[in-house]
Amino acid sequence: KNQVEQSPQSLIILEGKNCTLQCNYTVSPFSNLRWYKQDTGRGPVSLTIMTFSENTKSNGRYTATLDADTKQSSLHITASQLSDSASYICVVMSEYGNKLVFGAGTILRVKS
Amino acid sequence: DGGITQSPKYLFRKEGQNVTLSCEQNLNHDAMYWYRQDPGQGLRLIYYSQIVNDFQKGDIAEGYSVSREKKESFPLTVTSAQKNPTAFYLCASRRSAGNTGELFFGEGSRLTVL
Repeated sequence: KNQVEQSPQSLIILEGKNCTLQCNYTVSPFSNLRWYKQDTGRGPVSLTIMTFSENTKSNGRYTATLDADTKQSSLHITASQLSDSASYICVVMSEYGNKLVFGAGTILRVKS
Repeated sequence: DGGITQSPKYLFRKEGQNVTLSCEQNLNHDAMYWYRQDPGQGLRLIYYSQIVNDFQKGDIAEGYSVSREKKESFPLTVTSAQKNPTAFYLCASRRSAGNTGELFFGEGSRLTVL
């Protein structure tokens, strides 16, 4: 069964600190993996996309990694800001029918 | 600016009523989607459309209906047959269903059944 599991479910960190969010998937065959940021009551916005051949990709203070062998991805946030408070959703695309499988998300709260 | 517009933002419905959520995009995307978001769960696909006048059921289509008469518009009707309609509904679009392009989302519509 195609699944995407994210951890932790929620996280609270102090402003300026770093954090890492995890995404494990069983989607096969794998096409790509995206991380989305969803502010409360808003629609998700794409942060980065990882394809099979990519190990690391950065977007400002966000760095995503992908290990296609272990089927794991992480999103590292550096020097967190209050505006980073949001839900972060991992989405994996299967090559079969271009099906998208969504994780439940990690709720991040950055406090001052 | 290009984007996806959902309306209304908030909607309250009495039991037994049908309601329609609007979704309009000016991105010239062929593929459009409706997702339902519930707390603690991943987004679940209700319906999707790859081209005008064609749409397919997703994983949780029961109690919902859609139409795709224009490329820009993909309205979702939540019927009285939907047993638990209170949720956050997200409309999304992509250039085409077969590519790896980004899925663009609207701002969502929150439906509450009174």
